[in-house]
Amino acid sequence: ETGVTQSPTHLIKTRGQQVTLRCSSQSGHNTVSWYQQALGQGPQFIFQYYREEENGRGNFPPRFSGLQFPNYSSELNVNALELDDSALYLCASSYTGTSREQYFGPGTRLTVT
Amino acid sequence: QKEVEQNSGPLSVPEGAIASLNCTYSDRGSQSFFWYRQYSGKSPELIMSIYSNGDKEDGRFTAQLNKASQYVSLLIRDSQPSDSATYLCAVIMGNQFYFGTGTSLTVIP
Repeated sequence: ETGVTQSPTHLIKTRGQQVTLRCSSQSGHNTVSWYQQALGQGPQFIFQYYREEENGRGNFPPRFSGLQFPNYSSELNVNALELDDSALYLCASSYTGTSREQYFGPGTRLTVT
Repeated sequence: QKEVEQNSGPLSVPEGAIASLNCTYSDRGSQSFFWYRQYSGKSPELIMSIYSNGDKEDGRFTAQLNKASQYVSLLIRDSQPSDSATYLCAVIMGNQFYFGTGTSLTVIP
């Protein structure tokens, strides 16, 4: 069984730039969720994708957008980066069914300077 | 009131003791509850899920759920130094996972 993978591991960007983060789901999973985790905080839900459509969104502005592909991999795009966007970005995959357990990838550490 | 609340700690217990971690949540209709362990610099790792009132045991871990009190807890028996981590409580409300801020646990050898 293949676990959740994310790329890149670390990224440094300048304020105002755009960034794309990538995630590959665990084998057999059809749902991907993205989270932002600031230092000392719990993960904050950004959005979820199921069958290539956004299936829920947290309290994040529209400059946070995403995609899910037919193979259930996903991208998180953030435009017009702000300093406060510096965080660990986590992707979690799950199978939409009776069990809704989510399994996290290793994360991407984004630093905005 | 936050959706999911945990004591941030830090909680320190001696090796071999029982560590007790607590979590309360705001949505009385919630049905799914999870505990994750997060080592420093790493991503959260699922250790327990619980959906029904009562206790669920898995090795040294026991999750306890009381929906009437909107309370879920995690007990770690025979605590080991390798259990030192931040423990995150997560609750599904609506169609969304809500996480607490986590409780930092240190097991002292």
